[in-house]
Amino acid sequence: GENVEQHPSTLSVQEGDSAVIKCTYSDSASNYFPWYKQELGKGPQLIIDIRSNVGEKKDQRIAVTLNKTAKHFSLHITETQPEDSAVYFCAARGYGQNFVFGPGTRLSVLP
Amino acid sequence: DAGVIQSPRHEVTEMGQEVTLRCKPISGHDYLFWYRQTMMRGLELLIYFNNNVPIDDSGMPEDRFSAKMPNASFSTLKIQPSEPRDSAVYFCASSLFPAGFNSNQPQHFGDGTRLSIL
Repeated sequence: GENVEQHPSTLSVQEGDSAVIKCTYSDSASNYFPWYKQELGKGPQLIIDIRSNVGEKKDQRIAVTLNKTAKHFSLHITETQPEDSAVYFCAARGYGQNFVFGPGTRLSVLP
Repeated sequence: DAGVIQSPRHEVTEMGQEVTLRCKPISGHDYLFWYRQTMMRGLELLIYFNNNVPIDDSGMPEDRFSAKMPNASFSTLKIQPSEPRDSAVYFCASSLFPAGFNSNQPQHFGDGTRLSIL
């Protein structure tokens, strides 16, 4: 089955700097890769996603890149703000509707 | 849109008691998922339904866990009897049926039920 790894597990950046979180997946059949942000006491919320026929997608300060050959994808947050502090999860969708989530990255944006 | 609604938000009960978690998916969504989140194991898929029918329950840890979806707007996850190791945050999520390769649908999560078994 699919296995998703995510690095780093924790990340601290200064406000205004960029943050990058990387994920790898094992199943070459996976074709959809969402990223979720989870704030304390809340459920994960979708922030951006990418499909396997696209190499990059951007939405304001957030971008995701996908390298299908290497089976890895990354989340890039530019001009970080304190409200970006949260736990971020990557996921990969392979067979059916079964999403496999990475273990999460705790991002802290220091003022 | 009200989003996915879960109840209760918090549940504290003693070992051996029956626990029932409830979920109302987003109206019109065909898929419903139950997840468990712990520090040690992260987000684990327990079971998911399509059009009220269980499709994959391979993530259900033991026979003590059961899930039902009697109609398109309601699902329950039951633990009987509960044990301290069941303590976790349980999430429900729903999504639309993907129409095709370019129509992969994200999952929308509720805010979870924080379960503590003493």
